[in-house]
Amino acid sequence: EAGVAQSPRYKIIEKRQSVAFWCNPISGHATLYWYQQILGQGPKLLIQFQNNGVVDDSQLPKDRFSAERLKGVDSTLKIQPAKLEDSAVYLCASSLAVTEQYFGPGTRLTVT
Amino acid sequence: AQSVTQLGSHVSVSEGALVLLRCNYSSSVPPYLFWYVQYPNQGLQLLLKYTTGATLVKGINGFEAEFKKSETSFHLTKPSAHMSDAAEYFCAVRGVNTGTASKLTFGTGTRLQVTL
Repeated sequence: EAGVAQSPRYKIIEKRQSVAFWCNPISGHATLYWYQQILGQGPKLLIQFQNNGVVDDSQLPKDRFSAERLKGVDSTLKIQPAKLEDSAVYLCASSLAVTEQYFGPGTRLTVT
Repeated sequence: AQSVTQLGSHVSVSEGALVLLRCNYSSSVPPYLFWYVQYPNQGLQLLLKYTTGATLVKGINGFEAEFKKSETSFHLTKPSAHMSDAAEYFCAVRGVNTGTASKLTFGTGTRLQVTL
């Protein structure tokens, strides 16, 4: 069974630029999550999708972050414009049952 | 609200020694509890989870954890450390009665170093 796929793995941009990350969940997993992991901290949930609907986006900075999950499969997370404090690893996870989430390898974003 | 506290951001043990990583949680509803491991430049991998039933849960790679409600703890242990156990370990909590929102709240992580 293929795992959660993410791309790119690494991205370096300047502040005020825009960036997009892509995630393809495990086949059949209805729930998809985006987490932000700042260096030295645990992952923090940004947004949770159930199929193509948003379940929880309470910690998503909506003035600059956006996410979509068209057709209830893969998802894109966008930052526009980026700030220095957005430097982090962005993790995508998916789940079939609510008790277990499977994580992708993450995208490491550096904003200079 | 839920929270997780992991005592000790860095733990160093000798190969073959006992591994003990501490996790205390706070939850207003019965919790589901998890331990994840993260190797460098990789995503998180589930080690073990407690949902209901037996309070001592066994996971992959010889790890186990015990849910102690009276102490609000879920410490991770392994009898004998191996060099390959060196990684970052995260404890996480999820409330059972949160409907469709299955948000995990993570601790800040403990980096395990294994020395010869």
